Amino acid sequence: GAVVSQHPSWVICKSGTSVKIECRSLDFQATTMFWYRQFPKQSLMLMATSNEGSKATYEQGVEKDKFLINHASLTLSTLTVTSAHPEDSSFYICSAREREGLLFFGPGTRLTVL
Amino acid sequence: DAKTTQPNSMESNEEEPVHLPCNHSTISGTDYIHWYRQLPSQGPEYVIHGLTSNVNNRMASLAIAEDRKSSTLILHRATLRDAAVYYCIYDRGTGNQFYFGTGTSLTVIP
Repeated sequence: GAVVSQHPSWVICKSGTSVKIECRSLDFQATTMFWYRQFPKQSLMLMATSNEGSKATYEQGVEKDKFLINHASLTLSTLTVTSAHPEDSSFYICSAREREGLLFFGPGTRLTVL
Repeated sequence: DAKTTQPNSMESNEEEPVHLPCNHSTISGTDYIHWYRQLPSQGPEYVIHGLTSNVNNRMASLAIAEDRKSSTLILHRATLRDAAVYYCIYDRGTGNQFYFGTGTSLTVIP
């Protein structure tokens, strides 16, 4: 299957700082990528849909100014958590849709905000 | 959101078949049914998908009801490595978003 990578796999930061997470489709081009967050023992919650070359579409209740998404190329989308606070600590997972429509997921990024 | 209903948890003995059910009563005619599984602290892994006919691959089989309002993921011989949360999702089509339900946590007993 197609491979999606994320970097970093984990990050610890101080409250008030910003953190950037990268999502790459390694062996296919993805016009659409998705960002999810997952709290312990909960399901994945869709945060936003990232479209190459255009603005991201955010789900209801997700602050677009806090979670900045950039999809500058067909293989890279980035999520920046701005002014992170402890309540932003979570597992962030990206996914990319390949040509046949299947969705492939990255391994996730564990964010801990102190 | 595209809603699916799955049992919260199931158990299976190792090397026995497992049937994981999913209800998707609001599915429309062109929506595909997808199954993913997630191990702790990992991203979801694709298992199988289908539209109308039953599907088989090296990981599992997917049995889709004739009215398409339900489906069953079949693991033919459960192993300890199959212990995971299994998610059933259907593709809403226009927005191409995948909304996850609560999934089924599968425990495999040695």
